[in-house]
Amino acid sequence: QSALTQPASVSGSPGQSITISCTGTSSDVGGYSFVSWYQQHPGKAPKLMIYEVSNRPSGVSSRFSASKSGNTASLTISGLQSEDEADYYCSSYTSSSTLEVFGTGTKVTVL
Amino acid sequence: EVQLLESGGGLVQPGASLRLSCAASEFSFSSYAMTWVRQAPGKGLEWVSGISGSGADTYYADSVKGRFTISRDNSKKTLYLQMNSLRAEDTAVYYCAKDPGYCSSTRCSDWGYYMDVWGKGTTVSVSS
Repeated sequence: QSALTQPASVSGSPGQSITISCTGTSSDVGGYSFVSWYQQHPGKAPKLMIYEVSNRPSGVSSRFSASKSGNTASLTISGLQSEDEADYYCSSYTSSSTLEVFGTGTKVTVL
Repeated sequence: EVQLLESGGGLVQPGASLRLSCAASEFSFSSYAMTWVRQAPGKGLEWVSGISGSGADTYYADSVKGRFTISRDNSKKTLYLQMNSLRAEDTAVYYCAKDPGYCSSTRCSDWGYYMDVWGKGTTVSVSS
């Protein structure tokens, strides 16, 4: 099972919006509504930001939104803030025997 | 507060074995599937293994299949990862995480296929 494909890095200025893509196949992202997104600051454990494609857990800012089209899921951060600078990973259920697969990760830089 | 605390990491030689533990608190442990995720130094997250709430169903990444065994003791509220035949490429921070499950209008499943609570991780180093 190959990792889902994400851009290595995305950057934006404070207040801007950025979008991170996550591309898989019909066996994972495209075939199921079990896509999630995680934020990870250096040296810290990942934090759940989005589940089931577009749902935000309680306590996660509404500046984070997500969607899916075909085999590609997307995470959008609006009104970019300095504390959003972190690594972001998508994840999906996969019909392969491994059950779940992560994306390659995207480093978000706030300019 | 819902918490997960990993332990058991350390420095071992290639070919050695190690058992990781993850102690859960403040939630009904046996009701939830659990997962191990690892992160090699400077690399991304890798899903390693998952186990259903009862322990009856287990899943593994191809990279660890046949070498790692996931298990749980619901009476002790503890998750385990037995790692055998360790390789240098198994060097990583290992996180345990809780899967909150999924309920539709007609059924509920152990698996929500995402992780809502994470431990702080334990470090495994495999080197001669």
